[in-house]
Amino acid sequence: GAGVSQSPSNKVTEKGKDVELRCDPISGHTALYWYRQSLGQGLEFLIYFQGNSAPDKSGLPSDRFSAERTGGSVSTLTIQRTQQEDSAVYLCASSLGIARSYEQYFGPGTRLTVT
Amino acid sequence: KQEVTQIPAALSVPEGENLVLNCSFTDSAIYNLQWFRQDPGKGLTSLLLIQSSQREQTSGRLNASLDKSSGRSTLYIAASQPGDSATYLCAVSSGNNRLAFGKGNQVVVIP
Repeated sequence: GAGVSQSPSNKVTEKGKDVELRCDPISGHTALYWYRQSLGQGLEFLIYFQGNSAPDKSGLPSDRFSAERTGGSVSTLTIQRTQQEDSAVYLCASSLGIARSYEQYFGPGTRLTVT
Repeated sequence: KQEVTQIPAALSVPEGENLVLNCSFTDSAIYNLQWFRQDPGKGLTSLLLIQSSQREQTSGRLNASLDKSSGRSTLYIAASQPGDSATYLCAVSSGNNRLAFGKGNQVVVIP
């Protein structure tokens, strides 16, 4: 079956512009996660959605970052007024349920470059 | 806060040798531990998931052990092949519904 898909695969934007990154989770997966992988850094957690519960936004680095998940499926991560330090690979993952029990499946990522 | 460390950061081995990759974590109160593979410019591929109640998991040439009390996991790859060249990431779930990742072991298998 189809895995997690993300779009676009690459995005180059000018400093100060807004960007939207999209994630399509595996069908039937109720949990969806966003992570960021910066050069020389490990993967860091950004935000987590589980069903209809309020998202866990505790990993978002600033109020320029926001995310939503419509209809319990597709998610969009929005970065406003992009800065050069936002350049990274943004990875989305989904799982059948909460992380304590279930494997997380990752998408191919979106490589964001802010010039 | 859970801290995950992977040693060594990078290693090269001749084809056919066994690979041993180490992962340590600071908080032993984990729910599960997952090993991933990442190829350059690609996403993460899940290799093995070990629940906290398990001591090991095996898939083909891969075997992962878990010693929760000492905060350690080891990934063994038997009879390494050039196609095993990749970065291997260890991640733990500690009940806050997110994975904490190490920085990876970058492996090169020399033909």
